[in-house]
Amino acid sequence: TQLLEQSPQFLSIQEGENLTVYCNSSSVFSSLQWYRQEPGEGPVLLVTVVTGGEVKKLKRLTFQFGDARKDSSLHITAAQPGDTGLYLCAGAGMDSSYKLIFGSGTRLLVRP
Amino acid sequence: NAGVTQTPKFQVLKTGQSMTLQCAQDMNHEYMSWYRQDPGMGLRLIHYSVGAGITDQGEVPNGYNVSRSTTEDFPLRLLSAAPSQTSVYFCASRTFDRVLSGANVLTFGAGSRLTVL
Repeated sequence: TQLLEQSPQFLSIQEGENLTVYCNSSSVFSSLQWYRQEPGEGPVLLVTVVTGGEVKKLKRLTFQFGDARKDSSLHITAAQPGDTGLYLCAGAGMDSSYKLIFGSGTRLLVRP
Repeated sequence: NAGVTQTPKFQVLKTGQSMTLQCAQDMNHEYMSWYRQDPGMGLRLIHYSVGAGITDQGEVPNGYNVSRSTTEDFPLRLLSAAPSQTSVYFCASRTFDRVLSGANVLTFGAGSRLTVL
């Protein structure tokens, strides 16, 4: 069974601080996605990384896929209250993308 | 464009009762799926479908049935609800492609919160 472990589980920081969220597995994934979820809503896709070592930037968010395609990180620079939410990583297996495996999530609170 | 619509938003059941969670999408997506979300456990795949008439099991299929008679609809049935099925349920759809790429965006509904007493 493929598992994705996210850390930390909870993060409470002051506006303007930087943070990094980690997503780790012992399994290799063909691709990995990051979602953000707000209360009462479904997750919304932020980015997909496909190539080992790939780095993608989305404004103040930087996503990296590990060289071995077993891990990923999300770095937020100068966090803002609007970044508050649940961040989920999700991996697609090497055989197919039918069964997307989700991590347990990192709940981020950015205080003004 | 409504996207993925789930009904009901909230439901309370007694143990042993049956019910169906409805999911409809208007994006002509071949792939549809059901997830449940529990505190500290992320989302777990229950069942999925890659097209009308085709369904398959995910990680946690026990206690749930699905069918896919049309491209648009993918209902989730609980035949005999149990307290362990108390959860938030999400339906999601995307265009079908064997290799997930950045072009394949999984679109989620707003969720259905189910409580089984």
